[in-house]
Amino acid sequence: EIVLTQSPGTLSLSPGERGTLSCRASQNVASNYLAWYQQKPGQAPRLLIFGASSRATGIPDRFSGSGSGTDFTLTISRLEPEDFALYYCQQYGYSPLTFGGGTKVEIK
Amino acid sequence: EVQLVQSGAEVKKPGESLKISCKGSGYSFTSYYIGWVRQMPGKGLEWMGIIYPGDSDTRYSPSSHGQVTVSADKSINTAYLQWSSLKASDTAIYYCALSMYGGDGPFDYWGQGTLVTVSS
Repeated sequence: EIVLTQSPGTLSLSPGERGTLSCRASQNVASNYLAWYQQKPGQAPRLLIFGASSRATGIPDRFSGSGSGTDFTLTISRLEPEDFALYYCQQYGYSPLTFGGGTKVEIK
Repeated sequence: EVQLVQSGAEVKKPGESLKISCKGSGYSFTSYYIGWVRQMPGKGLEWMGIIYPGDSDTRYSPSSHGQVTVSADKSINTAYLQWSSLKASDTAIYYCALSMYGGDGPFDYWGQGTLVTVSS
């Protein structure tokens, strides 16, 4: 099973700042099959990024994904008030599919 | 419009059985994988298993295998997650999710979640 480790656990930032979230895999993620999700309290997760760097439908371009192999990054270029939430990475290249433990982006 | 609508919250006792549902609409139900994801109170997301309703091909995570059963009834466009004997540790929100990108991920549509509470 591929273990995904997200860091930091919590990211404290102000609106307008840039956020950089990391996701490290215990082994290579096949075909860069790495996704990022956003989850707000009381809501289901929402897909932001798939294939490591492709934005899902309707996702603002301030969200970008990068990386390959075992190291992946989600960047939020300028944080909007609605971006303060939990973020999870997921690999879907190997079964079982696995999620990272999450990064909470909170208002500083 | 693609929608996944899950059954309502459940309160059960340890040892009881349970089957929760996820009804898909707005797409070809038999053509895409539906997965189940668990979120225990205050915790992260955990992939449990997945089914392809077209041929009922099913896969489970190691921790879910033997603990739950994933199934689908394509005549009514509904997927299910079932327990034969619940434990207190099964208390969680369970989401069904759909991958329309092909294969078994990523999940681009999600149900609203079903809260399952297991308590004596």
